[in-house]
Amino acid sequence: NAGVTQTPKFRVLKTGQSMTLLCAQDMNHEYMYWYRQDPGMGLRLIHYSVGEGTTAKGEVPDGYNVSRLKKQNFLLGLESAAPSQTSVYFCASSFLGVGKNIQYFGAGTRLSVL
Amino acid sequence: DAKTTQPPSMDCAEGRAANLPCNHSTISGNEYVYWYRQIHSQGPQYIIHGLKNNETNEMASLIITEDRKSSTLILPHATLRDTAVYYCIVRSTGGGNKLTFGTGTQLKVEL
Repeated sequence: NAGVTQTPKFRVLKTGQSMTLLCAQDMNHEYMYWYRQDPGMGLRLIHYSVGEGTTAKGEVPDGYNVSRLKKQNFLLGLESAAPSQTSVYFCASSFLGVGKNIQYFGAGTRLSVL
Repeated sequence: DAKTTQPPSMDCAEGRAANLPCNHSTISGNEYVYWYRQIHSQGPQYIIHGLKNNETNEMASLIITEDRKSSTLILPHATLRDTAVYYCIVRSTGGGNKLTFGTGTQLKVEL
């Protein structure tokens, strides 16, 4: 049982390049999330999905796009990377249940944009 | 979601109980209190949650005051591996079950 897997673990981009971060979960969870974490700060929600084929904006969605074509996968795309997007990105998933906001997190993707 | 207030840092001796406070004076009746922790550079890890009753699991205990305006996470016998940032989050169910992470409490467990 792998849980939540993020790929890649590390990436260095040049300004203007594009890339896609992949998140995969094997727990059959309905909900999935993408967060970013900057040094000394808490996690901030970028986008989230409440089910296959649906996505919604979080707190800091600008400059990112997402897709949830399959229930187990949630993709985060950067179309034109900027230095301000240098951060650690975490993916999470959770199941649908009353009073159960238990999110399971991946190990993170460390992205540097030069 | 109700706002939470936590001390920025705390120290604890190894083997002793670590008591991490959280103030959530504007909590609503349908909002739960969740605790997560983040060990350096890793993804956050769920610890425990509760509505109004005290809760205990294999990791910790959660004590919620009767008026629900504050809570305390208790690690009964802290070890060096418990050194982490601990986040207290108040959230109701619904709306995508989103969580809002503040800056948490940096707990340092020392010998």
